[in-house]
Amino acid sequence: QTVVTQEPSFSVSPGGTVTLTCGLSSGSVSTSYYPSWYQQTPGQAPRTLIYSTYTRSSGVPDRFSGSILGNKAALTITGAQADDESDYYCVLYMDSGNVVFGGGTKLTVL
Amino acid sequence: EVQLLESGGGLVQTGGSLRLSCAASGFTFSNNAMTWVRQAPGKGLEWVSTISGSGGTTYYADSVKGRFTISRDNSKNTLYVQMSSLRAEDTAVYYCAKDRRSTSPRGIDYWGQGTLVTVSS
Repeated sequence: QTVVTQEPSFSVSPGGTVTLTCGLSSGSVSTSYYPSWYQQTPGQAPRTLIYSTYTRSSGVPDRFSGSILGNKAALTITGAQADDESDYYCVLYMDSGNVVFGGGTKLTVL
Repeated sequence: EVQLLESGGGLVQTGGSLRLSCAASGFTFSNNAMTWVRQAPGKGLEWVSTISGSGGTTYYADSVKGRFTISRDNSKNTLYVQMSSLRAEDTAVYYCAKDRRSTSPRGIDYWGQGTLVTVSS
């Protein structure tokens, strides 16, 4: 069974930079998995930040960026703001058509 | 403007059935695969199922395979999921989502607001 791993929690200071990662229980994450990143605040629907590894969704500020770092996908937030405090989910898309969500990272800005 | 509006959620008994709908607007519905994602109370997001733009190909999570059926009516711009043999662990907010591609899932770009399904004995 494919497991997508994310840090359970992370904290960043206002104005700081943070990188969240997305790995596979076995193997490396590559662009072939079309890694995507979604942001969710409590009580709200998710919002798409990044798809296909690097591409920002419409309206997403450029302080959010996606990449591959080593054997993981990564989401970097530069110049963190208070309203970036959210849950962040990574998703990988398998050749089989299956879609696997990571467990999410709870980001605190303080 | 893309809009996705789910409906059909509610309280259902264990072992019962329920059909959710998602009315789509603001894009050419048949050009995009569509997906259901759910979120149990206090838990993370879980992929449920995806259907291709034509409706000819479907994909299911192992947790719902054989119990849920995804479908779409491109003439009505509406996505469905028929849920049967419901269990307590199916209790969740169910989100309808639009994929960027038309065939297999490759990335959600828009989400609905969700509809709550509660399964209880």
